[in-house]
Amino acid sequence: DTGVSQDPRHKITKRGQNVTFRCDPISEHNRLYWYRQTLGQGPEFLTYFQNEAQLEKSRLLSDRFSAERPKGSFSTLEIQRTEQGDSAMYLCASSSTGPRGDTQYFGPGTRLTVL
Amino acid sequence: AQSVTQLDSHVSVSEGTPVLLRCNYSSSYSPSLFWYVQHPNKGLQLLLKYTSAATLVKGINGFEAEFKKSETSFHLTKPSAHMSDAAEYFCVVSFTGTASKLTFGTGTRLQVTL
Repeated sequence: DTGVSQDPRHKITKRGQNVTFRCDPISEHNRLYWYRQTLGQGPEFLTYFQNEAQLEKSRLLSDRFSAERPKGSFSTLEIQRTEQGDSAMYLCASSSTGPRGDTQYFGPGTRLTVL
Repeated sequence: AQSVTQLDSHVSVSEGTPVLLRCNYSSSYSPSLFWYVQHPNKGLQLLLKYTSAATLVKGINGFEAEFKKSETSFHLTKPSAHMSDAAEYFCVVSFTGTASKLTFGTGTRLQVTL
């Protein structure tokens, strides 16, 4: 049973550049979530998908952020025109819609550093 | 609105002594409550969860938590700390039974000393 995987694990970029992260959920999970965690804080919800439909977005998700899950499997999170304030750990989680549907399983995260 | 407050940002215990990490929640609906642990450079791992069944919930690695509705608390305990328990612990709330976002507390860093 493979867990949630994320790629890359680390990304260093210059301010103004675009970056894209990938998340592969647990294979039988149809729900996928993105969170952001800054230093010394708990993760904060960004957005979630059920299959390919994006059903909820946080106000934290500015128009520079876009997330997709085109085939209901893996998801990408793109940040355009990165700013130093975007530096954070970006976490992906997945869950199912069965009896254990409210248990989210997390990937290792992608740490973004914007210089 | 839902929120969760972790009352201690840092807890230090000696190996072999009990652990108590405190959490209070606020939720307009019947909550699901979780404790996750985050070891350095590792992903968040679910320790245990409460979803309106038994109020005393047992988790992995000897941890347990008790849901107290009257006190709106969900404190995490372990009878005897081990060095490997040193990590960041997050108390988390969501609405029961829905595909809901998780709301995390700010975390408690547990230090275990010899």
